[in-house]
This record gives sequence, C-alpha cells and structure tokens, in this order.
Amino acid sequence: AQTVTQSQPEMSVQEAETVTLSCTYDTSESDYYLFWYKQPPSRQMILVIRQEAYKQQNATENRFSVNFQKAAKSFSLKISDSQLGDAAMYFCAYKRADGNQFYFGTGTSLTVIP
Amino acid sequence: EAGVAQSPRYKIIEKRQSVAFWCNPISGHATLYWYQQILGQGPKLLIQFQNNGVVDDSQLPKDRFSAERLKGVDSTLKIQPAKLEDSAVYLCASSLMGWRSYNEQFFGPGTRLTVL
Repeated sequence: AQTVTQSQPEMSVQEAETVTLSCTYDTSESDYYLFWYKQPPSRQMILVIRQEAYKQQNATENRFSVNFQKAAKSFSLKISDSQLGDAAMYFCAYKRADGNQFYFGTGTSLTVIP
Repeated sequence: EAGVAQSPRYKIIEKRQSVAFWCNPISGHATLYWYQQILGQGPKLLIQFQNNGVVDDSQLPKDRFSAERLKGVDSTLKIQPAKLEDSAVYLCASSLMGWRSYNEQFFGPGTRLTVL
C-alpha cells in the first residue's frame, strides 16, 4: 500500500521569509501524481501545486515550488516570501496515474509570524 | 462557479444514534469522493462514485456506513449507529473525472461530527 509521510507536525516561518515543508512517500509505481493541498482553519482544502512523476522539471506556482526527488521518493514544498495568509495545514498527497485513490499525509501546521 | 456544498456544517449526536450528511458537487463533475478526516490526521477516502456507480468503497465500514448518489449528482453519507470513534470531519470532494486521469479535486467545507 502507498504511504505518505510528513515528518514535521508543525513549522513556523517569519513573514517574508522562506520555508520548506517535507514529504516522503512509498510506492512501487513509476507513474503517479503528487500534490500539496492547503487547508486554512475552518476553510476548504485547496490545491496548491501538483507534480507528474514522469516530469523531471519541478513544478512552480508563483511563490510555491517543489523539489521532486523521484529516486529518493521525496517531494518537498517551498514557500517563498511567506505571507500571513499562508498559515494553514498543508497536506502532501499521492495518486497512482491509473488509480482512484488519493493518499494523504498527516499534515504540517504552518504558522506565519508577523 | 459554485463550489462543492455540504450540509450540515456541524452535527452533535449521542453514540448509537444515526446521522446523515449531504453533498452537492460542482455541476458537471462526474466523480464524487467522501473522506473522513480525524483530528490530527489526513483525509482518508471512504467511498468514490463515478456518476452514480461506486468505484471504490474498500475503506467504508459497511456495517455502519452507507452512501448513495442517486441520479449521479447529489450524494448522502449515512452512519447508523454512530460510535465515538466516528467523530471527525467528513469531507466531500468532486472532480471532472477520477479514473485513469488526473483532474483536480475540489473540496467542500466539510461536516464536523461529534459523537458523545
């Protein structure tokens, strides 16, 4: 079974600074998708960024970028120029390319310090 | 575009009682997911529908949980009877398609269930 591990239950960052959230996963598949989702307090979960495993280039969305290391099965999220609105739970998730299920990690709670 | 709607937002019940949650996905989305998110954990898939058919319900505790998606649009998730360990947030999500492709999941606000 696929597992997704987020080893940092809590992280904090100073406003305008950069923070990196870690995620590792376990799979025997070669074709899959990886995601970072953001869940603000009492608000809906939204997709931050996704990465296709067959793409070597790391995905980037404005201030959010990933470091995808396929051989190491590592998928970290970097948030640059952190803003107060970035404070939330961040979940890493995995999905086989030919499968149904999304597998989520346990989440990292990010605090942004003004 | 309207998002995924869920109701109620909060529910408190006694153990052994029954409860039902409702979800209205984004118009045109064929795939609908129900997740259970226990405090401190990530969402766990309970059941996935493709139109009005079940694609995956392998993690649904079928002795007490049931779900249906009549006419391939709205869905209800029922727990009967509830146990203390069912206390969680129940998330509904929808996407254009789920099988053998990637389409972004859009999540609803969730229903927070407390079982006393």
